[in-house]
Amino acid sequence: GAVVSQHPSWVICKSGTSVKIECRSLDFQATTMFWYRQFPKQSLMLMATSNEGSKATYEQGVEKDKFLINHASLTLSTLTVTSAHPEDSSFYICSARVKGLPLFSYEQYFGPGTRLTVT
Amino acid sequence: QKEVEQNSGPLSVPEGAIASLNCTYSDRGSQSFFWYRQYSGKSPELIMFIYSNGDKEDGRFTAQLNKASQYVSLLIRDSQPSDSATYLCAVKYTGANSKLTFGKGITLSVRP
Repeated sequence: GAVVSQHPSWVICKSGTSVKIECRSLDFQATTMFWYRQFPKQSLMLMATSNEGSKATYEQGVEKDKFLINHASLTLSTLTVTSAHPEDSSFYICSARVKGLPLFSYEQYFGPGTRLTVT
Repeated sequence: QKEVEQNSGPLSVPEGAIASLNCTYSDRGSQSFFWYRQYSGKSPELIMFIYSNGDKEDGRFTAQLNKASQYVSLLIRDSQPSDSATYLCAVKYTGANSKLTFGKGITLSVRP
């Protein structure tokens, strides 16, 4: 099956620093990658959608200058949390859509997530 | 605004019982429906997906969809302690910019 990896799986950083999270599709090409954030005991909230080679589309309320997304290739997307603060501490999960399948079909695979703690 | 509601829960059932998880959605244009299982500290994993009205069975899991009532459910037969997790309902509207909208989830606990 399709595998999506994330790195790192967890990270602790100091307030004011930046953190980069990588999302890779290991055995398929991903036309679209999604970035979600999940706070404890809450559901997944979509932050942004990125297509390879184009700018990411951010959901309402998500600061594009704070959460930088780069979809450099069909297998790699990165999320950089700039000037992180304790309120950015969360579980960040990426998901990838397989290239070439019909839009109506299920084809979105989730990575294992990255736990970010900002001290 | 497209919404997905999972208002019941947490749910506790004894081992071997049937667990019934419910979900309603607001957008009649929604066409794809998904149930994910999420263990604590892990990312979601797909359990079932359904597109057509009626029932779809896969092992101990049955997804039920009623588009007229805008209702989708998940039945888990012969519940096991390993089924204890949070179950997320997700809905996708088919279109060029379609994306999954998740409910808040229902926490299921299966008592040995």
